[in-house]
Amino acid sequence: EDQVTQSPEALRLQEGESSSLNCSYTVSGLRGLFWYRQDPGKGPEFLFTLYSAGEEKEKERLKATLTKKESFLHITAPKPEDSATYLCAVPQIGGGSYIPTFGRGTSLIVHP
Amino acid sequence: GAGVSQSPRYKVAKRGQDVALRCDPISGHVSLFWYQQALGQGPEFLTYFQNEAQLDKSGLPSDRFFAERPEGSVSTLKIQRTQQEDSAVYLCASSAAPGTGTYEQYFGPGTRLTVT
Repeated sequence: EDQVTQSPEALRLQEGESSSLNCSYTVSGLRGLFWYRQDPGKGPEFLFTLYSAGEEKEKERLKATLTKKESFLHITAPKPEDSATYLCAVPQIGGGSYIPTFGRGTSLIVHP
Repeated sequence: GAGVSQSPRYKVAKRGQDVALRCDPISGHVSLFWYQQALGQGPEFLTYFQNEAQLDKSGLPSDRFFAERPEGSVSTLKIQRTQQEDSAVYLCASSAAPGTGTYEQYFGPGTRLTVT
């Protein structure tokens, strides 16, 4: 069965300590991979879409990369306001259409 | 411009009651999605509308769940005879383009449903 797996489940960083979050998937025929940020009590906020291996996208301190089996969300010199849960999602076939399937997320806490 | 709004933000229902959750998508957005998010989990797909047509309802967990979007804008998710396992955050998302798999989605703040 196709799966979307995120690691680590939780990550604590000191302000300025760079790190990476991982999203691995087993979908055949990838039709895009999406990264979202979710703050407590809010809906997910769209960050990036990646479509093909080798593609990279950046936004402020975040950079998302994609290979054939996984995506990384690199966080450079994070600040406390980057604390959130980061979700990735891939479309998977089901019910006659491509259903957006989310991982469980990585909960990031950045300490000042 | 206004984003996706949902109401109510919080709903407490006694087991067996019916509830209705409302979603106002971004104006002009063709696609509308409903998700269920349990604590510590990612959103799980429930159903998808393209305009007023419900094209996929494969994620609805039982026949107690019903969704509609009669005029292709506002959508309502109805849960009949609520059970404790229905307690979750219900998220609505909209997208400008048709299709379920290749376009970014814009989420509302969610409705937190607690069934007692």
